[in-house]
Amino acid sequence: QQQVKQSPQSLIVQKGGISIINCAYENTAFDYFPWYQQFPGKGPALLIAIRPDVSEKKEGRFTISFNKSAKQFSLHIMDSQPGDSATYFCAASSNNNDMRFGAGTRLTVKP
Amino acid sequence: KAGVTQTPRYLIKTRGQQVTLSCSPISGHRSVSWYQQTPGQGLQFLFEYFSETQRNKGNFPGRFSGRQFSNSRSEMNVSTLELGDSALYLCASSSTPAGYGYTFGSGTRLTVV
Repeated sequence: QQQVKQSPQSLIVQKGGISIINCAYENTAFDYFPWYQQFPGKGPALLIAIRPDVSEKKEGRFTISFNKSAKQFSLHIMDSQPGDSATYFCAASSNNNDMRFGAGTRLTVKP
Repeated sequence: KAGVTQTPRYLIKTRGQQVTLSCSPISGHRSVSWYQQTPGQGLQFLFEYFSETQRNKGNFPGRFSGRQFSNSRSEMNVSTLELGDSALYLCASSSTPAGYGYTFGSGTRLTVV
């Protein structure tokens, strides 16, 4: 089922640093690329999303960079905080496709 | 605005039994999707319903089934439970099909013993 590849599996960053998570997709029909954040015991929560007609979207400390030709997109978390420690999932979908998720990245931000 | 509600939160069943999980989407959302989450396989798509019709189905055996009611509430059923069915089952709702802007519930943790 996996059509979205995510890396790294885990990431440790110091407080104040930049966290970068990468994803690559295969299906060129995908036209919606969200990132979800999941804390233990909770369902994933939508963090930020992008459409392929823009190359970058920023919301607060979170930025998505999108490269349509390379079929890749990434999440950057600036000034990472211990409260950002969670599992992050990238995903992709389109009108005719269900949403497919990456395998997830466990982020730990050390104080 | 109430979120996506899944019941029950926790469930313990014995191999061979059957289980039904429930999902109440956000008011006005007509699309409901179900995912299975396990440490080894991540989030695996089960099926999506939109206005009571199944739009898509993932690669799961026929023991996994679902339905959606006219009020958009959805249920999923797993028959003849296997140990490998132990997982967190997540429901997500959206106002449009195919998961544009999914909101997830907190899930039902199913343990099969």
